[in-house]
Amino acid sequence: DAGVIQSPRHEVTEMGQEVTLRCKPISGHDYLFWYRQTMMRGLELLIYFNNNVPIDDSGMPEDRFSAKMPNASFSTLKIQPSEPRDSAVYFCASSSSGTAVYGYTFGSGTRLTVV
Amino acid sequence: QQPVQSPQAVILREGEDAVINCSSSKALYSVHWYRQKHGEAPVFLMILLKGGEQKGHEKISASFNEKKQQSSLYLTASQLSYSGTYFCGTERGAQKLVFGQGTRLTINP
Repeated sequence: DAGVIQSPRHEVTEMGQEVTLRCKPISGHDYLFWYRQTMMRGLELLIYFNNNVPIDDSGMPEDRFSAKMPNASFSTLKIQPSEPRDSAVYFCASSSSGTAVYGYTFGSGTRLTVV
Repeated sequence: QQPVQSPQAVILREGEDAVINCSSSKALYSVHWYRQKHGEAPVFLMILLKGGEQKGHEKISASFNEKKQQSSLYLTASQLSYSGTYFCGTERGAQKLVFGQGTRLTINP
């Protein structure tokens, strides 16, 4: 398996623009998580899905952020409009409830810079 | 609620031992440990489940005190490759992990 695949690896955008981050989880994993990492706030859980259904979105900072998981192999995190304070590394991770002892597998992350 | 890790940073010489602690104010179902190298994604090390203890690697082990909601990660005879930031993640159910702020470990030759 190629692991969790995120795209793009880097994104630079201007304030006010729409940004879409993409994630392909490991095949067979039924949980998908979106985290944001900054120096100030560390690793924050934004939202997570189980079997494509959003379970907890309490970490989504505001209405500018939205996430979808239309099928088991794809998820998106969208920011509209983007602001400089959204600059961070966004990680997607997946796990399997059947093999929880293997923990989460993280993607390589998307480094977002909003100027 | 975010678990608290201590210390925030550790500097060791190669071959020395280190202990990293993680504590929570809430009852826990499991504790995960991850290592992240600069510019890379966090990598899973091991999980400790309520009622059990798992040793993930030969020189890296961990304990979980359920009553105190505390976990400790032990690195024995540290190697240069152990350098990085270590995160504990605490789970209170439904596979939702909340991560601590991290402990930066530097190993010098």
